[in-house]
Amino acid sequence: DAGVTQSPTHLIKTRGQQVTLRCSPKSGHDTVSWYQQALGQGPQFIFQYYEEEERQRGNFPDRFSGHQYPNYSSELNVNALLLGDSALYLCASSLYKVGDRGTEAFFGQGTRLTVV
Amino acid sequence: AQSVTQLDSHVSVSEGTPVLLRCNYSSSYSPSLFWYVQHPNKGLQLLLKYTSAATLVKGINGFEAEFKKSETSFHLTKPSAHMSDAAEYFCVVSARYGNKLVFGAGTILRVKS
Repeated sequence: DAGVTQSPTHLIKTRGQQVTLRCSPKSGHDTVSWYQQALGQGPQFIFQYYEEEERQRGNFPDRFSGHQYPNYSSELNVNALLLGDSALYLCASSLYKVGDRGTEAFFGQGTRLTVV
Repeated sequence: AQSVTQLDSHVSVSEGTPVLLRCNYSSSYSPSLFWYVQHPNKGLQLLLKYTSAATLVKGINGFEAEFKKSETSFHLTKPSAHMSDAAEYFCVVSARYGNKLVFGAGTILRVKS
């Protein structure tokens, strides 16, 4: 059973460019969340997708957008890249349960984005 | 809003000695709490979780944590450290609605031989 897979593993982009990161959730999971982990910090929640809609959003600008497909896979798009967007981007998948805050999230290995 | 504070950014122990990683939380509701571990160049792995059942939670690899409401703490312990435990550990609280996770800043555990 494949876990959460993310692609690419590493990426170098220039300021002002746009980037798309991809995530396939663990088999049986229907919810995908994205996190940004800057160097030396804990992951910060970007947004969450369920039933192809953005359900929750963290404190990130509109340059960060996403999408979820019918097969539950997801993309994170970042426009107009800034140097400060350099980070490890983590995808987490889980199974949505109404009112359940204890659902375990499974994380991928992340995409290391470097903006130069 | 909910938050977690990891009291030590770095902890160094000798192999075979106990491990204590400290975490305090802030929440206006009964929280769900987690500990995740991140090895270099690896994804985050769940060690254990507390979801209002038993206050002493046992996890993988010999780790356990105790939920203390009166102290708003959720410290992670292990009786005997192993070299393979060297990693970064994150204390995490789940948001009130949905599966959003709020991470602490992390504690880097170093294990000396």
